[in-house]
Amino acid sequence: EAGVAQSPRYKIIEKRQSVAFWCNPISGHATLYWYQQILGQGPKLLIQFQNNGVVDDSQLPKDRFSAERLKGVDSTLKIQPAKLEDSAVYLCASSRNRGYEQYFGPGTRLTVT
Amino acid sequence: DQQVKQNSPSLSVQEGRISILNCDYTNSMFDYFLWYKKYPAEGPTFLISISSIKDKNEDGRFTVFLNKSAKHLSLHIVPSQPGDSAVYFCAAGEQGGSQGNLIFGKGTKLSVKP
Repeated sequence: EAGVAQSPRYKIIEKRQSVAFWCNPISGHATLYWYQQILGQGPKLLIQFQNNGVVDDSQLPKDRFSAERLKGVDSTLKIQPAKLEDSAVYLCASSRNRGYEQYFGPGTRLTVT
Repeated sequence: DQQVKQNSPSLSVQEGRISILNCDYTNSMFDYFLWYKKYPAEGPTFLISISSIKDKNEDGRFTVFLNKSAKHLSLHIVPSQPGDSAVYFCAAGEQGGSQGNLIFGKGTKLSVKP
């Protein structure tokens, strides 16, 4: 079974630029999550999708971050405009359904200069 | 306010001995708990979980213990192997309204020396 795929693996941008990350979850997984992991911290949930609907985006900075999961499969996370403090690893995870074990992708390391 | 705390940033253990990683939580609504292992430049890998209706769950060399009254859980690795060297994250969640929203600790870096 293929794992969670993410791209790109690394991205360097200047502040005020925009960036987008892509995630393809494990086949058949209904729930998809985006996390932000700052160096030295544990992952922090940004947004959770159930199929193609948002069930929790309470910690997503909506003035600059947006995410979508069209057709209930792939998902993209966008930051516009980026700030220096957005430098982090962005992790995508999926699970069979809500409340089940989450499986993570390799992450995208974002550096904002 | 950290709801999940891993107070030891690092732990060093000799190969073949037991590794014990600890985790404390403050939210009494948490009812399931997970451990993840993370190697550099990779995403966290699910290791083992436990529901609040149990006090122990075992999977091969890995055992998780849950003490609800103390709001404490621990991961035991026996015997420890050099390949176990990684950062271990404890995570907690609720089965109810926040279903799926996991809160992670800051991690403990385990080094297993040959």
